[in-house]
Amino acid sequence: DAGVIQSPRHEVTEMGQEVTLRCKPISGHDYLFWYRQTMMRGLELLIYFNNNVPIDDSGMPEDRFSAKMPNASFSTLKIQPSEPRDSAVYFCASSPLPGQAYGYTFGSGTRLTVV
Amino acid sequence: ELKVEQNPLFLSMQEGKNYTIYCNYSTTSDRLYWYRQDPGKSLESLFVLLSNGAVKQEGRLMASLDTKARLSTLHITAAVHDLSATYFCAVVPFGNEKLTFGTGTRLTIIP
Repeated sequence: DAGVIQSPRHEVTEMGQEVTLRCKPISGHDYLFWYRQTMMRGLELLIYFNNNVPIDDSGMPEDRFSAKMPNASFSTLKIQPSEPRDSAVYFCASSPLPGQAYGYTFGSGTRLTVV
Repeated sequence: ELKVEQNPLFLSMQEGKNYTIYCNYSTTSDRLYWYRQDPGKSLESLFVLLSNGAVKQEGRLMASLDTKARLSTLHITAAVHDLSATYFCAVVPFGNEKLTFGTGTRLTIIP
């Protein structure tokens, strides 16, 4: 089991550019979550999917942010246009059956820097 | 809106000592998780607590859950340097799957 795989690990981009973050959940996990971590705001849930369907996107900060899950093995988080305040570490997590004795497994994260 | 508070935010303790980290949350839940994060790394699952009175132990760490008080504790026994990290509790409220994290406790073990 390779775990939750995120790419890229690091991304540096200029303000105004489009950024796409990628996530491959653990096979068989029905739930996928996107989090953002900053020193000021801690860990924030942005959006989560169940069986590829977005369930709650109330944490998405602005219309500049969008997330998709076209199939069970792939999800993207896109920021367009990017701004310096979007600089953060973005984590993807997956879970088989929340409510059971399973935790949520996190990927290694993508460190985004917008200059 | 669910609020999850941890205290202390920072904890510096000597090796060999015992201490407890507290996690309070503001809504009904019977699912609470503890994670560890090392600097620059991802979150590592430590404990899953799924019912009132649940107690889990792993090595020098022990976690408990009191759903009536909306309180979980993470107890550290005879701390060692390897336990230095940031510890997060996270709660899932009834009715949805929004895992909400506490502020984190940065633990530093001093030799």
